[in-house]
Amino acid sequence: NAGVTQTPKFQVLKTGQSMTLQCAQDMNHEYMSWYRQDPGMGLRLIHYSVGAGITDQGEVPNGYNVSRSTTEDFPLRLLSAAPSQTSVYFCASSVSSATSETQYFGPGTRLLVL
Amino acid sequence: GNSVTQMEGPVTLSEEAFLTINCTYTATGYPSLFWYVQYPGEGLQLLLKATKADDKGSNKGFEATYRKETTSFHLEKGSVQVSDSAVYFCALDSNSGYALNFGKGTSLLVTP
Repeated sequence: NAGVTQTPKFQVLKTGQSMTLQCAQDMNHEYMSWYRQDPGMGLRLIHYSVGAGITDQGEVPNGYNVSRSTTEDFPLRLLSAAPSQTSVYFCASSVSSATSETQYFGPGTRLLVL
Repeated sequence: GNSVTQMEGPVTLSEEAFLTINCTYTATGYPSLFWYVQYPGEGLQLLLKATKADDKGSNKGFEATYRKETTSFHLEKGSVQVSDSAVYFCALDSNSGYALNFGKGTSLLVTP
């Protein structure tokens, strides 16, 4: 299994540009999440999905859109990038369960918005 | 709401020293608690977890005990190695399965 994969690894954008960060998992996990990591802030939840067709907002959703058309893929879209969105983005997945299960993280996408 | 507070770093230790990284939490109900580790340039990996009070998680010589009375989940290792140099994150999940609340991370540097 490849686990959780993310592309690209690194991206530079200009303010106002749009882009999609890709995330895929091959573990048949129902739950998927997007986090951003900023210095001194830990990781903060942007959006999450509990299954295909079901998404919801996390702690810091503004400026980001998501969709979940398949179990495997959970792309994160920036419609109009801003310098405040410079960050490292991590995608994670986990099995659905009545109790907390381990989240598996991708390697991250480093985004720089100029 | 839920929150996690962990000691600020960076922490610098000599090889074979004892490690403690403090973590306390605020949560309603009975959350599960996790320690994740991030090696330079990589994503996060689960180090250990505990799902109920008094549980002890352990892995690779690291241990942490879920203490409900003190709302703590301190990470310990008896003898650190240079290869343990990384950033360590304490996190909790109120049984959602998809939403972890993270601490800010503690950077550990182990010198030979």
